[in-house]
Amino acid sequence: RKEVEQDPGPFNVPEGATVAFNCTYSNSASQSFFWYRQDCRKEPKLLMSVYSSGNEDGRFTAQLNRASQYISLLIRDSKLSDSATYLCVVSLQSGGSYIPTFGRGTSLIVHP
Amino acid sequence: EPEVTQTPSHQVTQMGQEVILRCVPISNHLYFYWYRQILGQKVEFLVSFYNNEISEKSEIFDDQFSVERPDGSNFTLKIRSTKLEDSAMYFCASRGEKGETQYFGPGTRLLVL
Repeated sequence: RKEVEQDPGPFNVPEGATVAFNCTYSNSASQSFFWYRQDCRKEPKLLMSVYSSGNEDGRFTAQLNRASQYISLLIRDSKLSDSATYLCVVSLQSGGSYIPTFGRGTSLIVHP
Repeated sequence: EPEVTQTPSHQVTQMGQEVILRCVPISNHLYFYWYRQILGQKVEFLVSFYNNEISEKSEIFDDQFSVERPDGSNFTLKIRSTKLEDSAMYFCASRGEKGETQYFGPGTRLLVL
């Protein structure tokens, strides 16, 4: 069965800490990779796409290792507002559609 | 900023009843999706819709489910005869022609009693 695996956590860190999340995927044909953020009882919201060369958006850095089928997200200088569940999402293209598979998410709690 | 909207925000129904969940995707988007998330579990793909037809569906999307785009703005998910296990949050999402980013609506929380 094709899956996306994440450590559910929770990761409990103080403000200002650096925290890293990992994700592995089993379908080597996967083409697109994303990190989404989901607050409690809310919809997923795109945090960032993940590219093979790695990409950074402010305090957030995402890396993709296709050979190991592994994706990571690094959050530097954690803020209280970063507390959320972080979803790893892997997509296959089928026709014009991108069919995503979601991981169960990693819970992050940032405390004062 | 344009956004996906969904109605109702909450729906309570009796087992065996039909429900229709409604979504208004972002206006210039062409690809539409339904997902569900059972409480405490992961988001699961149900169906994708493009050019007025289903383009992909998961094994969850059985004969009890159907989707429709009845006019130029709405995108609906119908569950014909609800079961207890259909209780979940249902998210609609849409995507433009270019790019892969899907924008999610706020969801409809369905409770089947």
